[in-house]
Amino acid sequence: GAVVSQHPSRVICKSGTSVKIECRSLDFQATTMFWYRQFPKKSLMLMATSNEGSKATYEQGVEKDKFLINHASLTLSTLTVTSAHPEDSSFYICSAGTSGNYNEQFFGPGTRLTVL
Amino acid sequence: GEDVEQSLFLSVREGDSSVINCTYTDSSSTYLYWYKQEPGAGLQLLTYIFSNMDMKQDQRLTVLLNKKDKHLSLRIADTQTGDSAIYFCAEGIFGNEKLTFGTGTRLTIIP
Repeated sequence: GAVVSQHPSRVICKSGTSVKIECRSLDFQATTMFWYRQFPKKSLMLMATSNEGSKATYEQGVEKDKFLINHASLTLSTLTVTSAHPEDSSFYICSAGTSGNYNEQFFGPGTRLTVL
Repeated sequence: GEDVEQSLFLSVREGDSSVINCTYTDSSSTYLYWYKQEPGAGLQLLTYIFSNMDMKQDQRLTVLLNKKDKHLSLRIADTQTGDSAIYFCAEGIFGNEKLTFGTGTRLTIIP
């Protein structure tokens, strides 16, 4: 089946620093990747939709200058949390869309970000 | 925006059936999905149903869809300890790759 990886799986950083999270589709090409944020006991919140070679589309309320998304190739998208703040601490999950018959998304294992 | 709602918790005895419910509001949904998330991991697609179907069965999993009431359920027969996880329902529309997820139901198995 389609495999999506994320790196790192866990990261701890100091306030004010930037953190980059990578999302890779390992055995298929993903024209679209999605970035989600998951809060405890809450659903996944879609942050942005990333299309290869074009600017990401951000959901309402998500600061595009704070959460920089780059989708440089059909197998790699990156999310950079800039000037990280403790309130940015969360579980970030990416997924890759296949535009298949039933719009399936393949999810990465997630990245736990802790900002001190 | 459109909402997808689920109960947060469900506890079931090992060997019994689990039924996880979901309600959604977008009548234009084309596909409805059930995803499973194990601790510290991403989401895994369990099954999906097309909106013109009312039931789908896949081994221990049975999905029921009541489109009139916008109600979706997932039944897991003979629940095992390995079924412990958070289950998310999600809705999607053909031609739009975005999915809207429910709040997730944490299924706990009682030995």
